[in-house]
Amino acid sequence: EVQLVESGGGLVQPGRSLRLSCTASGFTFGDYAMSWFRQAPGKGLEWVGFIRSKAYGGTTEYAASVKGRFTISRDDSKSIAYLQMNSLKTEDTAVYYCTRDPQGVDGDGIYYYYMDVWGKGTTVTVSS
Amino acid sequence: SYELTQPPSVSVSPGQTARITCSGDALPKKYAYWYQQKSGQAPVLVIYEDSKRPSGIPERFSGSSSGTMATLTISGAQVEDEADYYCYSTDSSGNQVFGTGTKVTVL
Repeated sequence: EVQLVESGGGLVQPGRSLRLSCTASGFTFGDYAMSWFRQAPGKGLEWVGFIRSKAYGGTTEYAASVKGRFTISRDDSKSIAYLQMNSLKTEDTAVYYCTRDPQGVDGDGIYYYYMDVWGKGTTVTVSS
Repeated sequence: SYELTQPPSVSVSPGQTARITCSGDALPKKYAYWYQQKSGQAPVLVIYEDSKRPSGIPERFSGSSSGTMATLTISGAQVEDEADYYCYSTDSSGNQVFGTGTKVTVL
């Protein structure tokens, strides 16, 4: 069974750091890009960032709201993706989800990623 | 920035058909994806590449796309289909975009 399990969430003070983990099982982790999303209470889904597979350079992209504060990495030997969150703000309070991202190609020949498997999420609360 | 527009809410009686629309200028050339999110749970992919259904998703879920509008149809809606539904696609540069979300009520 394909599964993603997030961990590492909790209560943290503004300005502090937290590292989330996403442990994958049931598929070849290294073959896929992985994303992080978040959802603030009562709000919609917000993309946080993603990391490509090593075959595509293992490079990362981030949303403007977290760029420079958050870092995504991966350990293919352990099938784990990480989200390092520094300088946390109260507005970072949310449920954080990781996703498995297959690659597709559209009618313009542009490669893109979509999310086919989501973890159950881990809650991050930033408050003093 | 590119936007995907959905109606805020759709109501349907059990056994009837619910249709959720997603409007976006790039949809004629970009695939639409649909995610179901029940209260307190993670999203689940119910339709990919406009009209394909992942394994395990009931046949009552179907998708279509024409011009600038993609549609998710729930034929014979069940009480357990009550959820928020989000469309997802990409813009002309391949950047990902979520729709505004539609709350489906079955009663």
